Amino acid sequence: NAGVTQTPKFQVLKTGQSMTLQCAQDMNHNSMYWYRQDPGMGLRLIYYSASEGTTDKGEVPNGYNVSRLNKREFSLRLESAAPSQTSVYFCASSARDRGVYGYTFGSGTRLTVV
Amino acid sequence: AQSVAQPEDQVNVAEGNPLTVKCTYSVSGNPYLFWYVQYPNRGLQFLLKYITGDNLVKGSYGFEAEFNKSQTSFHLKKPSALVSDSALYFCAVRTTDSWGKFQFGAGTQVVVTP
Repeated sequence: NAGVTQTPKFQVLKTGQSMTLQCAQDMNHNSMYWYRQDPGMGLRLIYYSASEGTTDKGEVPNGYNVSRLNKREFSLRLESAAPSQTSVYFCASSARDRGVYGYTFGSGTRLTVV
Repeated sequence: AQSVAQPEDQVNVAEGNPLTVKCTYSVSGNPYLFWYVQYPNRGLQFLLKYITGDNLVKGSYGFEAEFNKSQTSFHLKKPSALVSDSALYFCAVRTTDSWGKFQFGAGTQVVVTP
């Protein structure tokens, strides 16, 4: 089925460990995004990629890095995980970089940092 | 800057009764407004959007929303709620010059009781 695929779905890390969250879309969308969801705070943009080869910081980029590997894939890396990064992470893509058609979201990665 | 407010953390409604989820926004240009729904352990799903044109927008699952420019509101409505409508609802806004970077509200939990 067409859509946005995120892996893994669940992960527990120890403080200081690193990991990469993977995201792939098969809708030929130009733009991709990483959000984190925390209770009572809605979704906050971490990084986005308007098109292949470009990435930009969002609202809460500290502690994260991203790679737009190709048009399909956009990964999020935590170099040294901290308990404050415990969250649910969503990847999204949109048909145009201006998001006129809205986002298609992945099913999320629930990350716990202990 | 742009912002979204969802003033109610939770809305409780009996099945068959009308459902309203409130959203107000603040933007410096023309807004694009969206509603998304999130079921437990799932990603966000698109419900409807306002880009331009008619102020009353109809979307998926019988939902509709009315854009009110003077009140800067975009309330989500359903004439007759179902138990299956119980979920977390997010309002989101962006402007024509904010690049696909949505600002999400904190979310409103809807609980529909039989």
